[in-house]
Amino acid sequence: AQSVSQHNHHVILSEAASLELGCNYSYGGTVNLFWYVQYPGQHLQLLLKYFSGDPLVKGIKGFEAEFIKSKFSFNLRKPSVQWSDTAEYFCAVNSLSSGSARQLTFGSGTQLTVLP
Amino acid sequence: IAGITQAPTSQILAAGRRMTLRCTQDMRHNAMYWYRQDLGLGLRLIHYSNTAGTTGKGEVPDGYSVSRANTDDFPLTLASAVPSQTSVYFCASSEQGRGTGELFFGEGSRLTVL
Repeated sequence: AQSVSQHNHHVILSEAASLELGCNYSYGGTVNLFWYVQYPGQHLQLLLKYFSGDPLVKGIKGFEAEFIKSKFSFNLRKPSVQWSDTAEYFCAVNSLSSGSARQLTFGSGTQLTVLP
Repeated sequence: IAGITQAPTSQILAAGRRMTLRCTQDMRHNAMYWYRQDLGLGLRLIHYSNTAGTTGKGEVPDGYSVSRANTDDFPLTLASAVPSQTSVYFCASSEQGRGTGELFFGEGSRLTVL
């Protein structure tokens, strides 16, 4: 079974600081990778996704993530965070050979707090 | 606006009571899912349905049941609620068979079992 690890449970940054959130997964086959964001009191929204091609993917609001297959990683980055980026961030993996249902497995989430 | 509608938004329930959380989508997605979200545990899959008429168990199915009578609706039932089922429940859908399996989420249902 696949699993997803997010090592940072809570990250606190000042505005304009750079961000990198770690995500590692355990599955040896072909995967699709996602980052979702959940703003306070809201549902999860897709931030970015990787399914093939350029391993550096760009998402909304200046976020990007790099898929490094050899490290089973899909870390999320942003050069300069804003107060409005305060949210919980979830990494998710979807294996392409998981049978009849391509189910997403989520990490436990990272709470990002950006101080003004 | 197309999307997923969940009801109720919030509910307080006495232990032992039966509760059904409703979920309706209008995107004609064939797959639907129920997740629960708990602090420090992320989202865990309860049940899923690949297509109307079929359902399957996820990671944490005990105490829950689902049905999928048609494409649009995917209700989640707690037959006899217990305090450990206090959580935020998210319904989601995706287009299986094509695309990347991206999930679209509802707004969530906050359930408190006393």
